[in-house]
Amino acid sequence: AQSVAQPEDQVNVAEGNPLTVKCTYSVSGNPYLFWYVQYPNRGLQFLLKYITGDNLVKGSYGFEAEFNKSQTSFHLKKPSALVSDSALYFCAVRDGTSGGSYIPTFGRGTSLIVHP
Amino acid sequence: SQTIHQWPATLVQPVGSPLSLECTVEGTSNPNLYWYRQAAGRGLQLLFYSVGIGQISSEVPQNLSASRPQDRQFILSSKKLLLSDSGFYLCASGQGTGQPQHFGDGTRLSIL
Repeated sequence: AQSVAQPEDQVNVAEGNPLTVKCTYSVSGNPYLFWYVQYPNRGLQFLLKYITGDNLVKGSYGFEAEFNKSQTSFHLKKPSALVSDSALYFCAVRDGTSGGSYIPTFGRGTSLIVHP
Repeated sequence: SQTIHQWPATLVQPVGSPLSLECTVEGTSNPNLYWYRQAAGRGLQLLFYSVGIGQISSEVPQNLSASRPQDRQFILSSKKLLLSDSGFYLCASGQGTGQPQHFGDGTRLSIL
């Protein structure tokens, strides 16, 4: 079984400040982890993924995420937030073990609001 | 690059009417295709996925069905819509054993 928790429904941050959107996961095999962003009335856009290797993953639009195996977390970060980063962010996980399901499970999403 | 087209963007239907939502993919071949429903602007519920023509897996039993008549065409249907079918429907594509990589802009379905 696999699951994702995004403990914050909403994150507020001032423009120019660093931002963190939290994600914790549970999976029986090797975790493959993903972040997506959704702007209003649009589909999701893929931001970044962790499969293996360096725990710090860099993605689109200046975002990065840090994989922490001991804490089973994959928090999304950005050093300096922009107003245009305001959107809904989804974390997803799937079991990367051979024979595992390749269908990811999505979290409920976190609304990021960046204030000018 | 890969593009997903969904139409219509918005649809208002009466209870009990039929439904057909279409999704087509450009810029790739033999993709995995997915139908998701997003309720209240939040979590995604996987409805169907397909790894090839005529191959459909259903994740949630309900009055919806899906078909894949061509490699890059994925259709979501219903014979009789329920009020609970309202939501934002998203089509997505991916490759091999990878995750959904590309999403369409969705269809917002309202049932009256």
